[in-house]
Amino acid sequence: GEEVAQTPKHLVRGEGQKAKLYCAPIKGHSYVFWYQQVLKNEFKFLISFQNENVFDETGMPKERFSAKCLPNSPCSLEIQATKLEDSAVYFCASSQDGTGPYGYTFGSGTRLTVV
Amino acid sequence: QKEVEQNSGPLSVPEGAIASLNCTYSDRGSQSFFWYRQYSGKSPELIMFIYSNGDKEDGRFTAQLNKASQYVSLLIRDSQPSDSATYLCAVNGAGASKIIFGSGTRLSIRP
Repeated sequence: GEEVAQTPKHLVRGEGQKAKLYCAPIKGHSYVFWYQQVLKNEFKFLISFQNENVFDETGMPKERFSAKCLPNSPCSLEIQATKLEDSAVYFCASSQDGTGPYGYTFGSGTRLTVV
Repeated sequence: QKEVEQNSGPLSVPEGAIASLNCTYSDRGSQSFFWYRQYSGKSPELIMFIYSNGDKEDGRFTAQLNKASQYVSLLIRDSQPSDSATYLCAVNGAGASKIIFGSGTRLSIRP
């Protein structure tokens, strides 16, 4: 499709519960990026993939966060044992040329609320 | 020091005037520079890309890049109320494996 599809739109989890977010990139886009947006505008890079391979994972809090992009499946971001500070909007973006001139196309985001 | 810095605003500009948004970045190795617009509650959308020193114009938007000063700007001419949004400056990071975003400038166009 021509849009990046993120599901679910909203997710509420109790502290300590697991959260799993999904992202289907635009067909033909081989790069996927995950960002966390807190406090309205602070965009924190988490991880990027080129096809099913991790491209850059320097932003991932590795103790509780994990991500995968498997062939013929939506990409996923999983948070084990959520904390209150994980409350944020998680955006997925895809691109056809990495960080080149076409930029990213963003999904509509998943709002995670940890209570 | 943040990797990409922007004034958070809000920047208030009268309708029809020029809005000027500024951004500085710390990594001299950065090659690609972007401006995204984000309406409240929505996802960011790409409005400009620039990689060469100088100006790049697209309709009412002009991006300016000065690599020596590590400075990027966005000018919006004939500002419209629909331009009211947060504008995010973004720069490709080391190894070009990610884009790093500034915290955005909130722009308000007053009628």
